[in-house]
Amino acid sequence: GENVEQHPSTLSVQEGDSAVIKCTYSDSASNYFPWYKQELGKRPQLIIDIRSNVGEKKDQRIAVTLNKTAKHFSLHITETQPEDSAVYFCAASNTLTGGSQGNLIFGKGTKLSVKP
Amino acid sequence: NAGVTQTPKFQVLKTGQSMTLQCAQDMNHNSMYWYRQDPGMGLRLIYYSASEGTTDKGEVPNGYNVSRLNKREFSLRLESAAPSQTSVYFCASSEAGSRGEEYGYTFGSGTRLTVV
Repeated sequence: GENVEQHPSTLSVQEGDSAVIKCTYSDSASNYFPWYKQELGKRPQLIIDIRSNVGEKKDQRIAVTLNKTAKHFSLHITETQPEDSAVYFCAASNTLTGGSQGNLIFGKGTKLSVKP
Repeated sequence: NAGVTQTPKFQVLKTGQSMTLQCAQDMNHNSMYWYRQDPGMGLRLIYYSASEGTTDKGEVPNGYNVSRLNKREFSLRLESAAPSQTSVYFCASSEAGSRGEEYGYTFGSGTRLTVV
C-alpha cells in the first residue's frame, strides 16, 4: 500500500522568510496530493492540492510542486507570517482505484513555527 | 451549511466502558471516514465507508466498530475502551467527481477522548 514520508517534523523560520516542507510517496499510481493545515486544537483544513497531470500550482503565498518521476511533492510558503504557524500534513491517494487505495494516506506532519 | 458535525467534543471514559462517537455531514458526500490523531503519528485511518451501506477497515481498526446509518451519518463505537484508545478522533467526508477527481476531505471538529 501507499506510504507517505514527510520532512522535516519541525520547522522554525523568521517572519518574512520562506518555508518548504517535503513529502515522498511510494505508490507510483497515486494521482492526488493535498496539503492540510491544522491550527492548535482545530480540525485539519485543506489549503491546496495538486493532481498528477500538473507540475506546480500556486495560490497567493502558497505553492505546491510535484515530481512524479522522483515521487515527491513539496509545499512552499513565501513571506511567512505568524498566522502560518500550524501543523501541516501532506497526503496522497489514487482516486481512480476503488477500495482502500482510494483513501488518503497522510504524512506524520510538520510543525511550522513563524517567529515575529 | 454545517459541513461535518461530530459529537461529543470531549469525553472521559473508564477502562472497559463503551461509547459511540457520532458524525453527520450535510454535503451529500458519498464517502465518510474515521481517523485518530496521536502526537507524532499523524492521522491514521480507523474505518471508512465508500458509500451508504458499505464499511471497510482502515489501518488501525482493532477495538472499534462502525455503522453507516444512512448517507449522512457514520458512527464509531468503542465496545470496551482501553487507555491505548486515548486520542483525538476526527470524522471526515469526501466526494469524488465522475472522472475520479478528488475534491479533498472535509473534517469535523474532533472528539478528544481520554480513557483512564
